[in-house]
Amino acid sequence: EDQVTQSPEALRLQEGESSSLNCSYTVSGLRGLFWYRQDPGKGPEFLFTLYSAGEEKEKERLKATLTKKESFLHITAPKPEDSATYLCARGGIHDKIIFGKGTRLHILP
Amino acid sequence: NAGVTQTPKFQVLKTGQSMTLQCAQDMNHNSMYWYRQDPGMGLRLIYYSASEGTTDKGEVPNGYNVSRLNKREFSLRLESAAPSQTSVYFCASSSRGQGSNQPQHFGDGTRLSIL
Repeated sequence: EDQVTQSPEALRLQEGESSSLNCSYTVSGLRGLFWYRQDPGKGPEFLFTLYSAGEEKEKERLKATLTKKESFLHITAPKPEDSATYLCARGGIHDKIIFGKGTRLHILP
Repeated sequence: NAGVTQTPKFQVLKTGQSMTLQCAQDMNHNSMYWYRQDPGMGLRLIYYSASEGTTDKGEVPNGYNVSRLNKREFSLRLESAAPSQTSVYFCASSSRGQGSNQPQHFGDGTRLSIL
């Protein structure tokens, strides 16, 4: 069964304190690894897609990386506006995507 | 830049009532999806449609039906609502990839309460 496990469930950081979020996924049949951001009361907003081990993508203070069995979302010098829930998802056959339960990130000013 | 539009945004129903959630996308995407999101459960796929005229069950299809009306629109129907269907419902769409998945684009959800 395809699975996506995210850790930690919740993370509180001081403004400027860098950290990483983890996403472990079922390796077989991977057709893309996705990161989304979700704000309260909103739908998930697409951030990154990674397709092969070693690939990296960056956007402002966020960088996503992919290994053969994990993905990391690195947050460098975060600001309070980076507070959100971050979702990881793996792509599989028939265009179906399996989501993890997310990491709730809170950046304290 | 409408993207994915869902209606209504909020709805309260009584047990046994029926209703249809509407979703439309203006990105010319082939694939469309319905998810529900519950606390502690993450996003779970209810139904999806890989192209106009086709629909398939996802992880939690019981109690729901869908219609892919045309390329733009994909509706979700609750025939006899139950309190267990209280949730936030999201519609999403994506283009078709060649051997890989493409990112999904989401609407802002319908918050549904069943009393």
